[in-house]
Amino acid sequence: DAGVTQSPTHLIKTRGQHVTLRCSPISGHKSVSWYQQVLGQGPQFIFQYYEKEERGRGNFPDRFSARQFPNYSSELNVNALLLGDSALYLCASSQIPRGGDERRYFGPGTRLTVT
Amino acid sequence: GQNIDQPTEMTATEGAIVQINCTYQTSGFNGLFWYQQHAGEAPTFLSYNVLDGLEEKGRFSSFLSRSKGYSYLLLKELQMKDSASYLCAASSYNTDKLIFGTGTRLQVFP
Repeated sequence: DAGVTQSPTHLIKTRGQHVTLRCSPISGHKSVSWYQQVLGQGPQFIFQYYEKEERGRGNFPDRFSARQFPNYSSELNVNALLLGDSALYLCASSQIPRGGDERRYFGPGTRLTVT
Repeated sequence: GQNIDQPTEMTATEGAIVQINCTYQTSGFNGLFWYQQHAGEAPTFLSYNVLDGLEEKGRFSSFLSRSKGYSYLLLKELQMKDSASYLCAASSYNTDKLIFGTGTRLQVFP
């Protein structure tokens, strides 16, 4: 079975631009969460989506938005990019209901650089 | 509030044993994860503790004390490939969100 996939792998954008990151969860997983990881820090929770609805939101500005599609894949959108948005963006999928598997499975991430 | 604390950096010698500590304060605490992350890569799952006590999995063991808000990851017979960041993360009831610590960067020297 394929793991969590994310695209693109790397991205370079200019301040003020907009970016869309994509994630496909593990087959059968209906929950997708997004995390931002700045260099030298742990991942910070941005959003969780389950069954196409937002189920959780972290402390991020409204420039960050996301959505989940009927096939459970997800997009993270960031508008008006700032230099501070440069980070590794991680997508995690999980089974809900958990059925005893509490793990969040992380994708390889998208490395976003804002110049 | 919600807070996870772990040391920023640790060093150890190949073949040795190292213990990485983590303390947490989270509302609705459910369980404690440990993830390994090599530079530039995604976190990979190591362990998950819900009940108090020690869980052993090969060279890696993880301990949890819910009453003390404390966990540790024990790495035995260290290998060079164990050089990585080790992330402590707490999960809460009724949410998929994980609260991560800043990570402990472990360097293993020959």
